[in-house]
Amino acid sequence: AQKVTQAQTEISVVEKEDVTLDCVYETRDTTYYLFWYKQPPSGELVFLIRRNSFDEQNEISGRYSWNFQKSTSSFNFTITASQVVDSAVYFCALSEATGSNYKLTFGKGTLLTVNP
Amino acid sequence: NAGVTQTPKFQVLKTGQSMTLQCAQDMNHEYMSWYRQDPGMGLRLIHYSVGAGITDQGEVPNGYNVSRSTTEDFPLRLLSAAPSQTSVYFCASSYSAAGGFYEQYFGPGTRLTVT
Repeated sequence: AQKVTQAQTEISVVEKEDVTLDCVYETRDTTYYLFWYKQPPSGELVFLIRRNSFDEQNEISGRYSWNFQKSTSSFNFTITASQVVDSAVYFCALSEATGSNYKLTFGKGTLLTVNP
Repeated sequence: NAGVTQTPKFQVLKTGQSMTLQCAQDMNHEYMSWYRQDPGMGLRLIHYSVGAGITDQGEVPNGYNVSRSTTEDFPLRLLSAAPSQTSVYFCASSYSAAGGFYEQYFGPGTRLTVT
């Protein structure tokens, strides 16, 4: 069965620090998709990134970057020069293809607090 | 586009009562799903649907029923509410195609308390 582990339950940093959120996944499939979502204090879930298992290129989007390493089954997320608005719970998620059905499994989330 | 809408936003039920959480999307997405979010547990999949007339169970389906008669709507029914069903419920939809699974768009959530 697929599994996502976010070992860091809570992280607290000071504004402008860089911070990396870890995500380790388990799957038996060769075709799968990885996601990161953000849940700010207001409660909505915001999509950040999708990556398929055949695309190991790292991605950068502004202050956000993602490092996908199949060799270690990890999909880590780094925020550079963190800001107070980055304070949120961040979820990593994994979807396996089962025929035509897909199920998304979420990690338990990492609460990031950025202090001014 | 309204995206994914959920009603109600808040609900208090007594043990044993039944109710339906409504979910609708206007993006013509085939894939829809229901999750519950509990403290320290992340989001757990309750039921999902890959199209009208097709539903399947997720990780925590017990005590919940779903149906999908149209592409737009995916209601979640609590048959006999229990305190263990106190949670925040999120509905989501996504575009899906053979060989691909895309990002899900989430509704604003329904906070349910069962006393």
